[in-house]
Amino acid sequence: DAGVTQSPTHLIKTRGQHVTLRCSPISGHKSVSWYQQVLGQGPQFIFQYYEKEERGRGNFPDRFSARQFPNYSSELNVNALLLGDSALYLCASSFVFTGAQYFGPGTRLLVL
Amino acid sequence: ILNVEQSPQSLHVQEGDSTNFTCSFPSSNFYALHWYRWETAKSPEALFVMTLNGDEKKKGRISATLNTKEGYSYLYIKGSQPEDSATYLCAPSTPISSGSARQLTFGSGTQLTVLP
Repeated sequence: DAGVTQSPTHLIKTRGQHVTLRCSPISGHKSVSWYQQVLGQGPQFIFQYYEKEERGRGNFPDRFSARQFPNYSSELNVNALLLGDSALYLCASSFVFTGAQYFGPGTRLLVL
Repeated sequence: ILNVEQSPQSLHVQEGDSTNFTCSFPSSNFYALHWYRWETAKSPEALFVMTLNGDEKKKGRISATLNTKEGYSYLYIKGSQPEDSATYLCAPSTPISSGSARQLTFGSGTQLTVLP
């Protein structure tokens, strides 16, 4: 079975632009979580979705939004990009929102 | 914001050595403790999920223990091999105040290098 997949793998944007990152969960998993990881720190929780509804949100500004589709894939959107948004964005899926989370390889975003 | 501390920050050992790392976390409002291994350019790999005080889990040469009363977990690697070189992350799972979900709060990790 395929693991969690994310696209694109790398992305370069300029300040003020908008970005959309995509995630496909493991087949059968209904929950998707998004994390931001900056160098030297552990991943930080952004959002969790389960059954297409937002179930939790971390301490991120409203420029960050997400959604989950009927096939349980998910998008993370970031508006008005700042230099500080440069990071690795990880997606994790789980069967239920309380279960073990399995991570994708991440999308590395560079904002210039 | 949950404060999760991992020590040491980095560690170099010789092949064959045994080693251990520590994860400290607030013991209140705790649901489970997750350990991940993260190799460079790969996805974080789930190692263990532990929930009960006194839990011990083992996977090959790697094992972990959990003390929920005092808020710490140890990860042990017996007979380290070069392929064990990775960053080891711990993350307690706690309720998210805005809903019924649970979030993982990661420590900064312990970066292990096993020298041949």
